[in-house]
Amino acid sequence: NAGVMQNPRHLVRRRGQEARLRCSPMKGHSHVYWYRQLPEEGLKFMVYLQKENIIDESGMPKERFSAEFPKEGPSILRIQQVVRGDSAAYFCASSPPFGSRKSYEQYFGPGTRLTVT
Amino acid sequence: AQSVTQPDIHITVSEGASLELRCNYSYGATPYLFWYVQSPGQGLQLLLKYFSGDTLVQGIKGFEAEFKRSQSSFNLRKPSVHWSDAAEYFCAAHAGNNRKLIWGLGTSLAVNP
Repeated sequence: NAGVMQNPRHLVRRRGQEARLRCSPMKGHSHVYWYRQLPEEGLKFMVYLQKENIIDESGMPKERFSAEFPKEGPSILRIQQVVRGDSAAYFCASSPPFGSRKSYEQYFGPGTRLTVT
Repeated sequence: AQSVTQPDIHITVSEGASLELRCNYSYGATPYLFWYVQSPGQGLQLLLKYFSGDTLVQGIKGFEAEFKRSQSSFNLRKPSVHWSDAAEYFCAAHAGNNRKLIWGLGTSLAVNP
């Protein structure tokens, strides 16, 4: 069973460009979570989604950031008009459908390291 | 506000020595608690978790953690550290009904030969 997949692993964007980060959850998992790891600030929750539905986006910046998890395909974290402060590691995690004990656990991908020049 | 605190930013131990990494939480009710490990440039691997029941939980790689409600703590331990344990360790928690993880700032572990 493949783990959580994220691509690209490294992404370089110039200021003002768009960044698209992809996350494919583990097989059978229905929920996806996005976290950002900034130097000196640790890991911060951004958003969590199930298929075609955002459950909690309380950690998302109000502007330029959006996330989706379509019926088919990976979850996408989109950052428009990137700025240097967006440089960070972005981690995706997934969990099984709610209702099982395992659903309380989150399994992480390797992350996407975004560098804005 | 909900929070997770790891008081030690950096710890150095000798190989073969015992290890304890501290974690304290502040939640309205007992949260679901986790320890993750991150090697440089890598993702996060789940070491162990506590949901309920036995307060001493066993994890992978020889790690264990003890939940103490009276101290709002969930400290990670290992009896004998190996050089390969050098990494960043994160304590995290969620409320159960809302699964967003709240993270400690991490403890960086260095192991001397």
